[in-house]
Amino acid sequence: KAGVTQTPRYLIKTRGQQVTLSCSPISGHRSVSWYQQTPGQGLQFLFEYFSETQRNKGNFPGRFSGRQFSNSRSEMNVSTLELGDSALYLCASSGSNGPTDTQYFGPGTRLTVL
Amino acid sequence: AQKITQTQPGMFVQEKEAVTLDCTYDTSDPSYGLFWYKQPSSGEMIFLIYQGSYDQQNATEGRYSLNFQKARKSANLVISASQLGDSAMYFCAMRPFLGTDKLIFGTGTRLQVFP
Repeated sequence: KAGVTQTPRYLIKTRGQQVTLSCSPISGHRSVSWYQQTPGQGLQFLFEYFSETQRNKGNFPGRFSGRQFSNSRSEMNVSTLELGDSALYLCASSGSNGPTDTQYFGPGTRLTVL
Repeated sequence: AQKITQTQPGMFVQEKEAVTLDCTYDTSDPSYGLFWYKQPSSGEMIFLIYQGSYDQQNATEGRYSLNFQKARKSANLVISASQLGDSAMYFCAMRPFLGTDKLIFGTGTRLQVFP
């Protein structure tokens, strides 16, 4: 089974621009979660989607948004980029079949904002 | 509020020796899952081991075992027979059982294995 894939792997943007990151979950997985990882704040939960519905949201400004498609692929969008948005963005998927279900992570998208 | 604490920013271990990475947690949820992930310099988070709050026995996966002490709210990771390839960041994480896959992570421990 193929793992979680994320595209692009690396991205360089300038302040004020917007960016869209993509995540394809493991086949059969219906839940996709997004995390932001920075040296200062560590790993922080952004949001979670299950069957095209946002099930949970972290404490991030409205510039961060996401969606999930009927094939479970997910995208996250960041508008009006700020320098502090430079981070590794990790996507994880799970079958969400019960409490023992494990989240599997993709390789991440490393975003640099100049 | 739920919280994961990893008090060891860095650990060193000699190849073939065992090492314990500490993790304590705080939650008021009656049911939860505890996870350990490894993050090499490439950035990908690799799942290592899982322990459910109601599991009676400590989880084991190959060279990894989880020393789960529920009353002390600790879930330490034990790596036996360390290998050079074990050098990485290690994160402890918690997830409540109901209604969400959201993981709460600790700050991580950087493990360095030397020959």
